[in-house]
Amino acid sequence: DAGITQSPRHKVTETGTPVTLRCHQTENHRYMYWYRQDPGHGLRLIHYSYGVKDTDKGEVSDGYSVSRSKTEDFLLTLESATSSQTSVYFCAISDNQVDEQYFGPGTRLTVT
Amino acid sequence: GENVEQHPSTLSVQEGDSAVIKCTYSDSASNYFPWYKQELGKGPQLIIDIRSNVGEKKDQRIAVTLNKTAKHFSLHITETQPEDSAVYFCAASTGGFKTIFGAGTRLFVKA
Repeated sequence: DAGITQSPRHKVTETGTPVTLRCHQTENHRYMYWYRQDPGHGLRLIHYSYGVKDTDKGEVSDGYSVSRSKTEDFLLTLESATSSQTSVYFCAISDNQVDEQYFGPGTRLTVT
Repeated sequence: GENVEQHPSTLSVQEGDSAVIKCTYSDSASNYFPWYKQELGKGPQLIIDIRSNVGEKKDQRIAVTLNKTAKHFSLHITETQPEDSAVYFCAASTGGFKTIFGAGTRLFVKA
């Protein structure tokens, strides 16, 4: 998975609790992305980063925030988890904004 | 909004047969078209891609074709093998972080 790790790999949490997912890369790629994957929807972009402390919203950003304090780490936070945020979350990286993205192994999040 | 439609959602073929997955896109500014393969419990992995200045690209048993006029692009897998069984995603990108993915095709290759 191109030097990308995600943690945790699985998490079950209750509605209303905060959750933080971590993506760590060893490729020194500039661009990092968070996607969610749901049946029938493919992959949808939540947030992305184009450098340290430089982030922006994607297609489905409501209820999510991100932070990138180091090149290698990109954090996704659900401030108050809802059942609609039950999903599989993938981190991706790319060296160039117009080239291929490399995906991590994913985090399966269940909000009960 | 912009979207990518992918068909079929499920495809079952006999080992050795060919498999074709088709996608259409709506944003005429799209210029990069990657295909990803996702195995169970893993992240998507790029298998082939094509840019808008090319009509066809091949890599061993895999080929992709692009018809910009019709906004269609397709993945062709020849001589399918059981290990080709997976979910395949097409995507269309205009660059600038805007990559739209299709909903996926689950391919079953029967031995």
